[in-house]
Amino acid sequence: SAVISQKPSRDICQRGTSLTIQCQVDSQVTMMFWYRQQPGQSLTLIATANQGSEATYESGFVIDKFPISRPNLTFSTLTVSNMSPEDSSIYLCSVEVVDRVDTQYFGPGTRLTVL
Amino acid sequence: KQEVTQIPAALSVPEGENLVLNCSFTDSAIYNLQWFRQDPGKGLTSLLLIQSSQREQTSGRLNASLDKSSGRSTLYIAASQPGDSATYLCAVDTDKLIFGTGTRLQVFP
Repeated sequence: SAVISQKPSRDICQRGTSLTIQCQVDSQVTMMFWYRQQPGQSLTLIATANQGSEATYESGFVIDKFPISRPNLTFSTLTVSNMSPEDSSIYLCSVEVVDRVDTQYFGPGTRLTVL
Repeated sequence: KQEVTQIPAALSVPEGENLVLNCSFTDSAIYNLQWFRQDPGKGLTSLLLIQSSQREQTSGRLNASLDKSSGRSTLYIAASQPGDSATYLCAVDTDKLIFGTGTRLQVFP
């Protein structure tokens, strides 16, 4: 398994600002993912964070709005840029580990409220 | 486009009842199906994973079945307890996980 931490756990931000969310894993993982869960909605995959290269974004998500970094095998950041109230969501990081590629482990999430 | 639906959206039951949560998906071309539990502030916990070639999986009081041809899965919770209160999500793996909207379960003493 993998233990995943996210910072911050929650934040309240003003419209037009940006927030960077950190995801730290206690072991080296093969894949890291970022999801968004809007109020009352299911989880939606934003992008796959690739180590040493640009992230792979899903349809409807762009790098300018959600820049992602993954400088090593255990750490990734997601930035929510130029925020609006519609960005209010829970953002979750997840990983696949080497010996359990079928299973994703999820972090506790970051609850973001944009005023 | 794969769509995943969960019924009911919410459920409130007294302790001790046996429960069935339903998940349906529109495209049977999946690698596996997972059931997760989501607790506030604690992210998601994987409960059961059923490979596409399997029919069911069991873990303690939980039993999940998969009928890929009809696009359905059920999660059976036996002898429910207040600690089972959470949101239950199913997700199908089609190179990426596609989640349902969840069933919010409340078990009261």
